Amino acid sequence: AQKVTQAQTEISVVEKEDVTLDCVYETRDTTYYLFWYKQPPSGELVFLIRRNSFDEQNEISGRYSWNFQKSTSSFNFTITASQVVDSAVYFCALTIVLTGGGNKLTFGTGTQLKVEL
Amino acid sequence: DTGVSQDPRHKITKRGQNVTFRCDPISEHNRLYWYRQTLGQGPEFLTYFQNEAQLEKSRLLSDRFSAERPKGSFSTLEIQRTEQGDSAMYLCASRGPGGGNEQFFGPGTRLTVL
Repeated sequence: AQKVTQAQTEISVVEKEDVTLDCVYETRDTTYYLFWYKQPPSGELVFLIRRNSFDEQNEISGRYSWNFQKSTSSFNFTITASQVVDSAVYFCALTIVLTGGGNKLTFGTGTQLKVEL
Repeated sequence: DTGVSQDPRHKITKRGQNVTFRCDPISEHNRLYWYRQTLGQGPEFLTYFQNEAQLEKSRLLSDRFSAERPKGSFSTLEIQRTEQGDSAMYLCASRGPGGGNEQFFGPGTRLTVL
């Protein structure tokens, strides 16, 4: 069975601090995809990044960076110089392939990030 | 290119009533998904369509729940004889053909069963 663990329930930081959100996953599949989504107070899930199991290259996109390590089954997300607009719930998710090529997302419980002035 | 839309955004109903939600995916997205999210939890998979075919259903989807996608475009999710435990946010997502794998979510329908 697939499982995603986000041990940090809530993180509070002051604006401009760096913050790392942890994600640990479990799967028996050798081919899988990992995702991060952001859910602001409005409620709509916003796709941030996708990583496949064969690509361990870390990625940086503006103030966001992701660290994927298969050896520790982790896919951590860092926000550099956090801003108030980053305040949201962040979800890590794992996907497996379904019949017909679709994929089911298994989400963690989310980390509530609060960025204060 | 418009995103995924859902209607209604909010629904309040009394226990025992039937409710129906609608999802319009991104145009030309052949895969459509329904998830349920309760307070403080991540979304949980309910069911999946490829075009008009419902290919996967979660054990969470009891006999009171039914989903359709009759023409491979919009989808409906019906809950019969609602119970208070059905109160949740119901999210729809779509995904296009190809290897992108990422799903794009709608704003959700928040259901409150009194």
